[in-house]
Amino acid sequence: GAVVSQHPSRVICKSGTSVKIECRSLDFQATTMFWYRQFPKKSLMLMATSNEGSKATYEQGVEKDKFLINHASLTLSTLTVTSAHPEDSSFYICSASSGRASYNEQFFGPGTRLTVL
Amino acid sequence: QQPVQSPQAVILREGEDAVINCSSSKALYSVHWYRQKHGEAPVFLMILLKGGEQKGHEKISASFNEKKQQSSLYLTASQLSYSGTYFCGTDNSEAAGNKLTFGGGTRVLVKP
Repeated sequence: GAVVSQHPSRVICKSGTSVKIECRSLDFQATTMFWYRQFPKKSLMLMATSNEGSKATYEQGVEKDKFLINHASLTLSTLTVTSAHPEDSSFYICSASSGRASYNEQFFGPGTRLTVL
Repeated sequence: QQPVQSPQAVILREGEDAVINCSSSKALYSVHWYRQKHGEAPVFLMILLKGGEQKGHEKISASFNEKKQQSSLYLTASQLSYSGTYFCGTDNSEAAGNKLTFGGGTRVLVKP
């Protein structure tokens, strides 16, 4: 199957700093990438949809100024958590898809565990 | 609207069968099934489309009910590697594309 990487896998930062998470599709071109947040033993909560070359679409309740998403190329999307606070601590996971149709599966990255002190 | 998965957890012996359900209050356009092992990325298993098309692994089977409001994933002759949390992701219209809303997950433990 297709491979998606995320970097870093773990990050610990101080409150008030910004953290950038990269999501890369390694062996296919990702027209669309999705960013999720997952709490322990909970489901995947969609934060935003990122399409190459256009602005991301954020889900209701997600602050776009706090969670900056950039999809600069067909293989790279980045999520920047700005002015991070302890409540932003979570497992962030991205997925990538080669298309936007219902029959296009999502390939998930291994996730990034963010801890804000 | 988040789909409801049942059961929340199931324990079975190697070789036994299990069924996981994913229900919505509205008719579904597509259902995507994924399995996530602890500390790992969710892995794609199968897609079911409203029109009857399927896409996925040969050893995994799933179905839609008549009203297209429920999908069931069948774990047949389970193996130890089937352990993990199973998520269904759904969309209610073609316009939604593959933007999915995921259910709460079903934890499966297969014991020797």
